[in-house]
Amino acid sequence: DQQVKQNSPSLSVQEGRISILNCDYTNSMFDYFLWYKKYPAEGPTFLISISSIKDKNEDGRFTVFLNKSAKHLSLHIVPSQPGDSAVYFCAASAGGSNYKLTFGKGTLLTVNP
Amino acid sequence: EADIYQTPRYLVIGTGKKITLECSQTMGHDKMYWYQQDPGMELHLIHYSYGVNSTEKGDLSSESTVSRIRTEHFPLTLESARPSHTSQYLCASSEYRGQQETQYFGPGTRLLVL
Repeated sequence: DQQVKQNSPSLSVQEGRISILNCDYTNSMFDYFLWYKKYPAEGPTFLISISSIKDKNEDGRFTVFLNKSAKHLSLHIVPSQPGDSAVYFCAASAGGSNYKLTFGKGTLLTVNP
Repeated sequence: EADIYQTPRYLVIGTGKKITLECSQTMGHDKMYWYQQDPGMELHLIHYSYGVNSTEKGDLSSESTVSRIRTEHFPLTLESARPSHTSQYLCASSEYRGQQETQYFGPGTRLLVL
């Protein structure tokens, strides 16, 4: 039973355009969401996060939107660059004292020059 | 952000061998984690620790064991490696950002058991 779902295994965009990566979750107890970027044979790198008390968080070219009623979040990358090509993982936490992350399967983003 | 180190980065070993994957962090984080990830799949938590002498099993059953004798060190051991243990192993530690914890990952160890 996957609690965090990334339904698009891959996404291809042109350099300079917007990349939109989507993530859905089923556990209504999740209150903190994170996006990680991962290159092959490397560990995930933290990108950006959002708390459930917000619906948007922005950091440079990266913006995360949270729609709690739809249990959906998305990561926008504008403008996309070839160096953004990687696997992007969505993760969620229910917070509290037993902090554990639940990950999606990831979306492979390819940014074409 | 945390500085997390993992060694070795790559390991090819024969069935039945004992192996230890090293993980260390220099930020003094109390909480540390081990994940296992296969290609195209999500990361699965296999062990975690909330501090020295604290270890717990994660959501995915694993034949590996861990220890936490020092804050900065969280090694993972497989007593007898098998081909089914072939995977990428990722170590993480966490810190508070605002009122939430964020996990930071090491570079991972790619293990191949022949």
